[in-house]
Amino acid sequence: RKEVEQDPGPFNVPEGATVAFNCTYSNSASQSFFWYRQDCRKEPKLLMSVYSSGNEDGRFTAQLNRASQYISLLIRDSKLSDSATYLCVVPYTNAGKSTFGDGTTLTVKP
Amino acid sequence: EPEVTQTPSHQVTQMGQEVILRCVPISNHLYFYWYRQILGQKVEFLVSFYNNEISEKSEIFDDQFSVERPDGSNFTLKIRSTKLEDSAMYFCASAGARTDTQYFGPGTRLTVL
Repeated sequence: RKEVEQDPGPFNVPEGATVAFNCTYSNSASQSFFWYRQDCRKEPKLLMSVYSSGNEDGRFTAQLNRASQYISLLIRDSKLSDSATYLCVVPYTNAGKSTFGDGTTLTVKP
Repeated sequence: EPEVTQTPSHQVTQMGQEVILRCVPISNHLYFYWYRQILGQKVEFLVSFYNNEISEKSEIFDDQFSVERPDGSNFTLKIRSTKLEDSAMYFCASAGARTDTQYFGPGTRLTVL
């Protein structure tokens, strides 16, 4: 199993749609999980962190299932500005080495 | 809002030349990182740095690479003899007490000809 594996995508959805991405991880000892957003040729920007079962921030909800070792990101009422690549990130060591997934690309269309 | 800055934004160099990529982490952060992203590929960890020494490095971070914190604010990545395959976006990141919450700089695009 890959250290971090994401839905391959791409996802093309209309404005207002709800979309969900999944990410699985291999290290059962991981305690924290992150979703970053990356726009084309830009740096990853922290979107959400997940430490327990889940986290919600406005239209974005991240959920964690430790038993199955996956996290998900749900985007409700998607907007054109949500178009980006979403990166699942799992820190693997106390020194902060973070492993990134390949990313899932979302395009929201009018 | 404090942010990580990187210079230059784009560096073009000839194969075999040395390059130094510079980063200014967020001022009260203590943990520093370099990542790279080859065009079209995923972000890959290179090295983490804390208390003036390397904490961890990946297999990519071979003897051609080195990092330094020459003063209280800068954090640099040196590639001694660049190869074509070093062409990538290099991101610096820093973290405070929570090493898992990292903030990324805008990146330096390195092009090796």
